[in-house]
Amino acid sequence: QKEVEQDPGPLSVPEGAIVSLNCTYSNSAFQYFMWYRQYSRKGPELLMYTYSSGNKEDGRFTAQVDKSSKYISLFIRDSQPSDSATYLCAMSADQAGTALIFGKGTTLSVSS
Amino acid sequence: DAGVTQSPTHLIKTRGQHVTLRCSPISGHKSVSWYQQVLGQGPQFIFQYYEKEERGRGNFPDRFSARQFPNYSSELNVNALLLGDSALYLCASSPGGALNYGYTFGSGTRLTVV
Repeated sequence: QKEVEQDPGPLSVPEGAIVSLNCTYSNSAFQYFMWYRQYSRKGPELLMYTYSSGNKEDGRFTAQVDKSSKYISLFIRDSQPSDSATYLCAMSADQAGTALIFGKGTTLSVSS
Repeated sequence: DAGVTQSPTHLIKTRGQHVTLRCSPISGHKSVSWYQQVLGQGPQFIFQYYEKEERGRGNFPDRFSARQFPNYSSELNVNALLLGDSALYLCASSPGGALNYGYTFGSGTRLTVV
């Protein structure tokens, strides 16, 4: 079993839809959780950072962490064609983030 | 302000050859990390350097090595290239310390081994 599992999709939604992206993990030592967005031919870009369990909101994006279920989610409201990208979850056990453990990434396509 | 710059952007090498990839972090960032991203997979941690010292190493063979220079730029070296080394190599920089500063990734070097 991989440390971090993420459904690669692809996921296709119409513009304006609410998108839900998810990851599960097996290592209970993970405390720091991140979501990155990666456009084609670009490096990953940090979207959200969360420590431990709980919710965090930033504009149209909401990140949720449920450590008891070892499950994290990213919600995108009012999705736009510019949101079309690969979304990667990442986790770390230490605050220095010596090694980020990434999921495989979910490819999202938002059609206008 | 310039982001993380990596060079070259693309290169093609033959099996058995050696390759050097370069990374310049954001000005003021003292930590550099290297990741390998195989097509269709998430990035996999190779090395992290902070203040010119190796802070962490991922599960990669000794053919992979890296170093950080006094100006905080970094090189990743791969010896005896295998076909399986074909991937996007990403460099990320951070101020160092807390994760909530975030890592800023470069656009990567696309390595193809033939």
